Amino acid sequence: EPEVTQTPSHQVTQMGQEVILRCVPISNHLYFYWYRQILGQKVEFLVSFYNNEISEKSEIFDDQFSVERPDGSNFTLKIRSTKLEDSAMYFCASSDQWRGSKNIQYFGAGTRLSVL
Amino acid sequence: AQKVTQAQTEISVVEKEDVTLDCVYETRDTTYYLFWYKQPPSGELVFLIRRNSFDEQNEISGRYSWNFQKSTSSFNFTITASQVVDSAVYFCALSEGETSGSRLTFGEGTQLTVNP
Repeated sequence: EPEVTQTPSHQVTQMGQEVILRCVPISNHLYFYWYRQILGQKVEFLVSFYNNEISEKSEIFDDQFSVERPDGSNFTLKIRSTKLEDSAMYFCASSDQWRGSKNIQYFGAGTRLSVL
Repeated sequence: AQKVTQAQTEISVVEKEDVTLDCVYETRDTTYYLFWYKQPPSGELVFLIRRNSFDEQNEISGRYSWNFQKSTSSFNFTITASQVVDSAVYFCALSEGETSGSRLTFGEGTQLTVNP
């Protein structure tokens, strides 16, 4: 069964450092997303991406964040200068455009980011 | 603005009991989608079901059933004859609009513990 793959599973970084979280969405999907979940809290939307551009972003997704689809398979989230409050689980998701499965977002296993 | 409320923070049951997880949503759109996701202790988010706003038929899948009532803006989830493997956090989510690629807004989640 196709799945969304995220790497690494756990990333530890020092405050102020840049991190790149990587995702390989399901191959025939066209819509890509990043969400985050601070420990013990709900899942929050960060950004959606379609046709090589951001289609929507939340207030959390400030200038410190960026997304990119550098090739035909990867989808990345970059945090330029990490803060302590960026510590969270980051989930990548993808969905396709077909009516029968519209907006069903399939999630990866997540990357746990720990900022020290 | 869209909002999802899961008032039950934690539920604890004994195996074989039936349990219902409540979800109440708010939206101004007439077209929207409702979802349930399961987050087991391993942390991934597993898609369970999607309903659209025009289909109020209840759905049953094995031990799982869902009750969608537009009149009360609720989309409740019942597990019949619960098992220890059902222990997880369950999230209800909402996406608005007809277009693909819409963000998911999650509720706070309900931690379900099924004891042997």
